[in-house]
Amino acid sequence: EAGVAQSPRYKIIEKRQSVAFWCNPISGHATLYWYQQILGQGPKLLIQFQNNGVVDDSQLPKDRFSAERLKGVDSTLKIQPAKLEDSAVYLCASSLGLRAGLTDTQYFGPGTRLTVL
Amino acid sequence: GQQVMQIPQYQHVQEGEDFTTYCNSSTTLSNIQWYKQRPGGHPVFLIQLVKSGEVKKQKRLTFQFGEAKKNSSLHITATQTTDVGTYFCAGYSSASKIIFGSGTRLSIRP
Repeated sequence: EAGVAQSPRYKIIEKRQSVAFWCNPISGHATLYWYQQILGQGPKLLIQFQNNGVVDDSQLPKDRFSAERLKGVDSTLKIQPAKLEDSAVYLCASSLGLRAGLTDTQYFGPGTRLTVL
Repeated sequence: GQQVMQIPQYQHVQEGEDFTTYCNSSTTLSNIQWYKQRPGGHPVFLIQLVKSGEVKKQKRLTFQFGEAKKNSSLHITATQTTDVGTYFCAGYSSASKIIFGSGTRLSIRP
């Protein structure tokens, strides 16, 4: 079974530039998550999708971050414009999401390491 | 808002010694998951605890969920070099909101 795919693996940009990350979850997984992991900290949930609907985006800085999962499969996360404090690893995870309200195993991708100069 | 704290932040042990990390939530959790992240890697699921007072074992790893469902612990018996990494708890609220702890980084002296 193929795992969660993410690209790019690394990205270096200057502040005020834009950047986009792509995630392809495990086939058949209905739930997709985007996390921000700053060095030395635990992952912070940015947004959670159930199919193509948003379940939780309460911690997404909506003035600069956006995410979509139009066909309920792969997803993109965009930052526009980037700030220095956005330097982090952006992790995508997916889970089966069989029933609303139930939690199941999350499978994480390798992440995208973003450096904002 | 809901907070999930983990202690200690770091632990450096001699190979063969035991290791414990603790996870404490400010609110009652519906369930808790534990993940391990190797250096340079991504979090990998270890286990999920759902019931009050639940105890689960995986070889040398023992996981506990507190009676009040506000705290949890992970204990590793006789650590090995392969146990190196950061251990995270992830608490789920009744509204299925997920909060990861800050993690405990385990390093081991051979």
